[in-house]
Amino acid sequence: EAGVVQSPRYKIIEKKQPVAFWCNPISGHNTLYWYRQNLGQGPELLIRYENEEAVDDSQLPKDRFSAERLKGVDSTLKIQPAELGDSAVYLCASQTLGAGAQYFGPGTRLLVL
Amino acid sequence: TQLLEQSPQFLSIQEGENLTVYCNSSSVFSSLQWYRQEPGEGPVLLVTVVTGGEVKKLKRLTFQFGDARKDSSLHITAAQTGDTGLYLCAGGKGAGNNRKLIWGLGTSLAVNP
Repeated sequence: EAGVVQSPRYKIIEKKQPVAFWCNPISGHNTLYWYRQNLGQGPELLIRYENEEAVDDSQLPKDRFSAERLKGVDSTLKIQPAELGDSAVYLCASQTLGAGAQYFGPGTRLLVL
Repeated sequence: TQLLEQSPQFLSIQEGENLTVYCNSSSVFSSLQWYRQEPGEGPVLLVTVVTGGEVKKLKRLTFQFGDARKDSSLHITAAQTGDTGLYLCAGGKGAGNNRKLIWGLGTSLAVNP
């Protein structure tokens, strides 16, 4: 069974440019998470989807971040415009409805110059 | 603020040594998960504990959930270089759409040959 797929794996952009990350969760997983992780620290939740509904976006900086999961399967996270402080690893995770383990993708490493 | 504190933050040991990592909070959790994250990858679930006082063993790793379900420990016996990584604890609260996973900041473990 394929795991969580994320692309791109690495992205280098200049500040003020837009950037987008894509995630395809494990087949059948209704719950999808986007996290941001700084080096050597734990993940910080940005947004959680149950199917196509964003049920927790309280930590998403909505002035510059947006996300969508239109058909309740794959998802896109966008930053526009990017700032230097956005440099981090952006992780996507999926989970079967209800609870249990979160399965993480390898992440997208973003460097904003 | 619901926080999970992990200690130590960093740990560097020689192969064959034993170690214990702690995860503490003032909050009660319905469950406690431990993840390990290797460089360039996403976190991978090691274990979930749900009952106060519960002890689970995974080969050389022993996990314990505190009686009051506020804290947990991870003990590694005879550490190996393959145990190197970031160890994250995460506490579960709430249910349904209101469920949350509170993440610790991690313990970065280096096992030297």
